[in-house]
Amino acid sequence: DTEVTQTPKHLVMGMTNKKSLKCEQHMGHRAMYWYKQKAKKPPELMFVYSYEKLSINESVPSRFSPECPNSSLLNLHLHALQPEDSALYLCASSQGAGRYNEKLFFGSGTQLSVL
Amino acid sequence: GEDVEQSLFLSVREGDSSVINCTYTDSSSTYLYWYKQEPGAGLQLLTYIFSNMDMKQDQRLTVLLNKKDKHLSLRIADTQTGDSAIYFCAESGGLGQAGTALIFGKGTTLSVSS
Repeated sequence: DTEVTQTPKHLVMGMTNKKSLKCEQHMGHRAMYWYKQKAKKPPELMFVYSYEKLSINESVPSRFSPECPNSSLLNLHLHALQPEDSALYLCASSQGAGRYNEKLFFGSGTQLSVL
Repeated sequence: GEDVEQSLFLSVREGDSSVINCTYTDSSSTYLYWYKQEPGAGLQLLTYIFSNMDMKQDQRLTVLLNKKDKHLSLRIADTQTGDSAIYFCAESGGLGQAGTALIFGKGTTLSVSS
């Protein structure tokens, strides 16, 4: 099983809403990632969790709040977003051993539109 | 700093071979990856190669690595319309225990016509 599952697939929200994106993997991976991807652009790293602890925050605005409740789940809580935050949000996971040959497996993403 | 460059577009006819090129700058030993992204979907890992290898073949896919020129290519034999997608080249930068940071190229859009 090399599957990373993300829900919802599509989300439309207003600038005053609070919503959450969810990600799940059952590969026993201990590193999980959130990426943001604008159309026709490469993914940009937002956060990295390693062994359920936040290890990397790429200067992401506080309106994005990640959470890792356990080793299989990763959430991204959204609040007071701006229209420019509309993008495809991708979750990924890897073994997390810190070796250079770690393969990242990506979910299908959540297409977010902020109105 | 680290940088990955790719050509942006490639158009081929069905049945032909496609060659997608990539250059990278990190001179340390590293892994290099090819990901495929279809419209509205996530990234699918196609193949990867370690920087001390010259070539890797996996069914219709052949990866060639020129370490001297830091040039990586992905050849797709007998290209099909289902191969139409964006192909991202990426190199790895370890984060210690935190996992792996991937440095992506801008992506090459492959268009296959029948």
